[in-house]
Amino acid sequence: DVKVTQSSRYLVKRTGEKVFLECVQDMDHENMFWYRQDPGLGLRLIYFSYDVKMKEKGDIPEGYSVSREKKERFSLILESASTNQTSMYLCASSAGTYTGELFFGEGSRLTVL
Amino acid sequence: DQQVKQNSPSLSVQEGRISILNCDYTNSMFDYFLWYKKYPAEGPTFLISISSIKDKNEDGRFTVFLNKSAKHLSLHIVPSQPGDSAVYFCAASAGMLTFGGGTRLMVKP
Repeated sequence: DVKVTQSSRYLVKRTGEKVFLECVQDMDHENMFWYRQDPGLGLRLIYFSYDVKMKEKGDIPEGYSVSREKKERFSLILESASTNQTSMYLCASSAGTYTGELFFGEGSRLTVL
Repeated sequence: DQQVKQNSPSLSVQEGRISILNCDYTNSMFDYFLWYKKYPAEGPTFLISISSIKDKNEDGRFTVFLNKSAKHLSLHIVPSQPGDSAVYFCAASAGMLTFGGGTRLMVKP
């Protein structure tokens, strides 16, 4: 089974702090994604990566950056956290060029005070 | 503007009855559609999918119907079970997945 592991399930940070969310997948998938989930808005794509050191902006990249130094690891960075970044963050991976079926991690619930 | 919409935020159904979850989309370039299921404190898991060349796909108790002319997708669960209580997301793909807002299904014993 594909396993996508997110390093932190729950985080509480203060406004202006730098936040790192890490994600590791163990199935040698080429593609990795970061989404945020908010009530009524579904899952919105922040950034994705098709290869090591490669990144592409999703629908809502503002306020976020990412890093993919190794194929299995994809990190989401909030340079200066703000209260409107309080959300559930979901990492996902998929194989090949087709992004139809994503495998998700359990999510990281971030609260910014 | 949301390209994939789930207009019912919640749905309550009695155990054993049919659950019908609906999804509408606006982008005619979408060619593959999926449903994901999400339990609290867990990530979404893939449930069932359908290609735009089909109008129906079944997998056990789950059936997805696609009406391309109406740009409408539905998920039928028969019979519904309490363990089906979760949030269901529809998603559509034209290369990248676009998700709907989700519908919370509650199946009452």
